[in-house]
Order: sequence, then structure tokens, then C-alpha cells
Amino acid sequence: SQQGEEDPQALSIQEGENATMNCSYKTSINNLQWYRQNSGRGLAHLILIRSNEREKHSGRLRVTLDTSKKSSSLLITASRAADTASYFCATAGNSGGSNYKLTFGKGTLLTVNP
Amino acid sequence: NAGVTQTPKFQVLKTGQSMTLQCAQDMNHEYMSWYRQDPGMGLRLIHYSVGAGITDQGEVPNGYNVSRSTTEDFPLRLLSAAPSQTSVYFCASSYGGSGGNTIYFGEGSWLTVV
Repeated sequence: SQQGEEDPQALSIQEGENATMNCSYKTSINNLQWYRQNSGRGLAHLILIRSNEREKHSGRLRVTLDTSKKSSSLLITASRAADTASYFCATAGNSGGSNYKLTFGKGTLLTVNP
Repeated sequence: NAGVTQTPKFQVLKTGQSMTLQCAQDMNHEYMSWYRQDPGMGLRLIHYSVGAGITDQGEVPNGYNVSRSTTEDFPLRLLSAAPSQTSVYFCASSYGGSGGNTIYFGEGSWLTVV
């Protein structure tokens, strides 16, 4: 079963706008990761946030994590057409050594219109 | 440093045929895993390995076999291909340890079973 569930399933915005994607999960986690997938390509790691962290930044990306609500959000600021891709959240469990086994959500398809 | 390399990139099989998807990494990672991705879905874990000689099942292991004779290689074998195994397959690797580690993915292998 899939632990992470992204919301919305699809998002269409104009270049320059901000894009926010949300992820909810069900069980306790060691960390949560966000990945990007361009059409027909592999997954590219964007950012990892550990369960004891609340916010992380990387360039135009901002990720928040609320473990009490079992949710995370990914914000992409000043979006570009090149940001068009599917974005997935993935959670890693807490049991010994399970942080390398990711459970993925179904993803959010982001389209940034020029 | 090539990262995670998967071959072949595309393959068409007939029902009942067997084949092996190859995966190699040159980062000396302990952990390797295989995922499959179906349309509109996130990735689901098939099998994983925590080191040479050690493998275990993931979420959807039926119909697949793995072995890990070296640190670098983690082949995935389809024993008797079925149309339900039509999917995109991703190999991944990461360092060991707790606290979260970036997982690196290959570019994917597109498999069609007719």
C-alpha cells in the first residue's frame, strides 16, 4: 500500500507563480523525501527532511514537515517552464535499516505555462 | 562516476519468456533496490538488498527474483513474464546507516510483455 498521498493530483500555473504541493502519510517516519520526475525519465532527488526537522530550503524549494499532522508540503517559488514535471513524496520508515526503503505517493503533475 | 546504470532501457517480451534487468552502481553503496512504476502510480518496492549476499522482499515481489553477489550489481530476474509485469522498472542505491540517506535512481527500464 502507498503511504504518501500527494495533493493535488495535477496543478497548472503560470511562469513566475509559486507552486505548492502537499503530501500526507499514515505511519511514523524516519524521514520524508521529495523527488522530481520528468516525463520518460528517472527520479531526481530534490530534498530530504528528517522527522526532527520542521523546514528545509534548497534554492527555490521549501519543504515543511508537520509530524503531528503527518503531512509535508513542497513549495516551488518563482516557477519556470522547466519545472514542469511530476513530483513525488516518499517516506522512509523508522524500523532498523528501513530508511532506505521508500514508500511513494502517486505524485502531483505540475505544469508551468510560459 | 556513472551513478546507477540500468540495462536494457527498452525491452519487449512474450508471455512466458524470462529475462534479466541489469543494475550496477559505482558509488560503493550498501543498499540497492528495485521498484516498479505503473501509469498514474508512484513507485512500489519489489526487492531490496542491504549488502552482498543479503536480499529481501518488498511490497510486490511475486514473479521476480534477485541476487546480490557483489556490492556493485543487483540484477532483477523475471522468471516467466506476464502482461501484468508491463511496467517501468527503476533500480536505486544508497549508503547504509540511519537518519536518512539520499537514494539515487537509475534512468529506468521500460518493459512490455505481450
